[in-house]
Amino acid sequence: QKEVEQNSGPLSVPEGAIASLNCTYSDRGSQSFFWYRQYSGKSPELIMSIYSNGDKEDGRFTAQLNKASQYVSLLIRDSQPSDSATYLCAARKSGYNKLIFGAGTRLAVHP
Amino acid sequence: DTAVSQTPKYLVTQMGNDKSIKCEQNLGHDTMYWYKQDSKKFLKIMFSYNNKELIINETVPNRFSPKSPDKAHLNLHINSLELGDSAVYFCASSQDIDQPQHFGDGTRLSIL
Repeated sequence: QKEVEQNSGPLSVPEGAIASLNCTYSDRGSQSFFWYRQYSGKSPELIMSIYSNGDKEDGRFTAQLNKASQYVSLLIRDSQPSDSATYLCAARKSGYNKLIFGAGTRLAVHP
Repeated sequence: DTAVSQTPKYLVTQMGNDKSIKCEQNLGHDTMYWYKQDSKKFLKIMFSYNNKELIINETVPNRFSPKSPDKAHLNLHINSLELGDSAVYFCASSQDIDQPQHFGDGTRLSIL
């Protein structure tokens, strides 16, 4: 089992729809979680960090964390073609000073 | 102003050569990292330094040697380059491991 798992996609959504990206993790002790966006040929850029159960909203983005079920999700409302990218989920490995990244989900928003 | 800058952006070289990648951050962060992203886009930690001290050293061939002259700089030297070293190498920094990491633009290493 991978430590952080994501569906590789592509996830295809029409412009204006809600894109839902999911991530599960195996380390029950993980406390810090991050979503990064990576455009092709570019570096990862932070979208959101989340540390507590529940929802955290920032503009069109909402991160959701459920530690009991060990999943993190990212919702993108009113998806735009410019949101088309690979979204990386990362979790801090408990007891270690490192993040474990998922393989990423490719999102394609079509006009 | 660039927050995390790494040079060079592209590195094309032959097998067996030795090369270095430099990284600097002006965010005042205490922790810096090197990641490798392979052709499948999987991002994997290689090394982590906190205040010039090595704190993470993953299962990386000892041909890879990081050096941190001060907490704003973390360089990566690679000896005897092999075909499998071809990848994009990202430098990153954060205030600590639980804070978001900021990535440099990456160095695309191609081994001929």
